[in-house]
Amino acid sequence: RKEVEQDPGPFNVPEGATVAFNCTYSNSASQSFFWYRQDCRKEPKLLMSVYSSGNEDGRFTAQLNRASQYISLLIRDSKLSDSATYLCAVIFGSASKIIFGSGTRLSIRP
Amino acid sequence: AAGVIQSPRHLIKEKRETATLKCYPIPRHDTVYWYQQGPGQDPQFLISFYEKMQSDKGSIPDRFSAQQFSDYHSELNMSSLELGDSALYFCASSLAGRLAGVSDNEQFFGPGTRLTVL
Repeated sequence: RKEVEQDPGPFNVPEGATVAFNCTYSNSASQSFFWYRQDCRKEPKLLMSVYSSGNEDGRFTAQLNRASQYISLLIRDSKLSDSATYLCAVIFGSASKIIFGSGTRLSIRP
Repeated sequence: AAGVIQSPRHLIKEKRETATLKCYPIPRHDTVYWYQQGPGQDPQFLISFYEKMQSDKGSIPDRFSAQQFSDYHSELNMSSLELGDSALYFCASSLAGRLAGVSDNEQFFGPGTRLTVL
């Protein structure tokens, strides 16, 4: 079982829809949580860090549930440009390395 | 804003050759990380350096070595290349200490080096 698990998708939704991704992690000592976006053959780009209180950045909202060990990403009013792979990322304990989920592919159709 | 710089962007090598990948972190970042991403896979952590000392080690083969220099740039040296080493190699950097307005542990990735081993 992977330390960080995501639904691989693909999610295929119409423009303007709201879409949500979940990610679960196995290590309760996890310390830091992030969502990255990765376009085909490009580098992962940091979308947002995820805090216990939840955080929002425009159309994007991230939530962390430590008790259930999952994080979520909500995208509202989706745009064609949101089509990408979304990677859940976790840092465990005092280590600094990121453990990535396998990514969720999102495709927005006109 | 300045980002992480990696060179070369593309590299083609034959089996058993050596390769050196370079990474220049974001200015004032003190920690660099190397990740390997194979086709259709998520990035896998290889190794990291903080203030020129190795800080963490992942699934890096013994054939690979890396170091961080006094100017904080890092190099990943790969020897006896195998077909399975063909992948995207990303470098990421972060600022370990807490500064106003900066979250620690946030890692910013460079554009990657695409290594093809023939």
